[in-house]
Amino acid sequence: RKEVEQDPGPFNVPEGATVAFNCTYSNSASQSFFWYRQDCRKEPKLLMSVYSSGNEDGRFTAQLNRASQYISLLIRDSKLSDSATYLCVVNTWNNDMRFGAGTRLTVKP
Amino acid sequence: EPEVTQTPSHQVTQMGQEVILRCVPISNHLYFYWYRQILGQKVEFLVSFYNNEISEKSEIFDDQFSVERPDGSNFTLKIRSTKLEDSAMYFCASSGTSGGHEYFGPGTRLTVL
Repeated sequence: RKEVEQDPGPFNVPEGATVAFNCTYSNSASQSFFWYRQDCRKEPKLLMSVYSSGNEDGRFTAQLNRASQYISLLIRDSKLSDSATYLCVVNTWNNDMRFGAGTRLTVKP
Repeated sequence: EPEVTQTPSHQVTQMGQEVILRCVPISNHLYFYWYRQILGQKVEFLVSFYNNEISEKSEIFDDQFSVERPDGSNFTLKIRSTKLEDSAMYFCASSGTSGGHEYFGPGTRLTVL
């Protein structure tokens, strides 16, 4: 089983749509969780951390289910600028960050 | 906003040559990392570094790789004898806390011919 698994997509959605990404991780000792976005040929940039209680940042909502080892990201009212690859990232206690392969999103006019 | 910088942006080398990739992490950060991303593939962890020593390394980080913090600002990745399959984008990252999110540099694209 892959350490961090994501649906690769691509997800092609119209502007204004709501889109959800899912991620599962295999290491139950994982301590911290993040969503990063990566634009083509650029470095990953933090989108948001993911907390057990769930958290929201504007149009973005992240959820964590430790029992199921599952993380999600919901994007509401998609913008053209949301087009990117979204990376699920899981960190263990020893600072060993593991990345999912990423889910590609294209938002179309 | 503080940022991680990396040089060079692109390095072309011949197979078997040594390369050194350089990074300047964010100044008050204590944890440093190297990752690589082969074109079209996922970001892969190479090594983490804290308190002047390696704290964790992946199976990719074999004897051909080494890291160093030669002074108070630079963090380097050395590949002793490059192979064709070392061609990738190499990202440096730093964080201020253990388990905290990491700030990535813009990357060095390494091409091995």
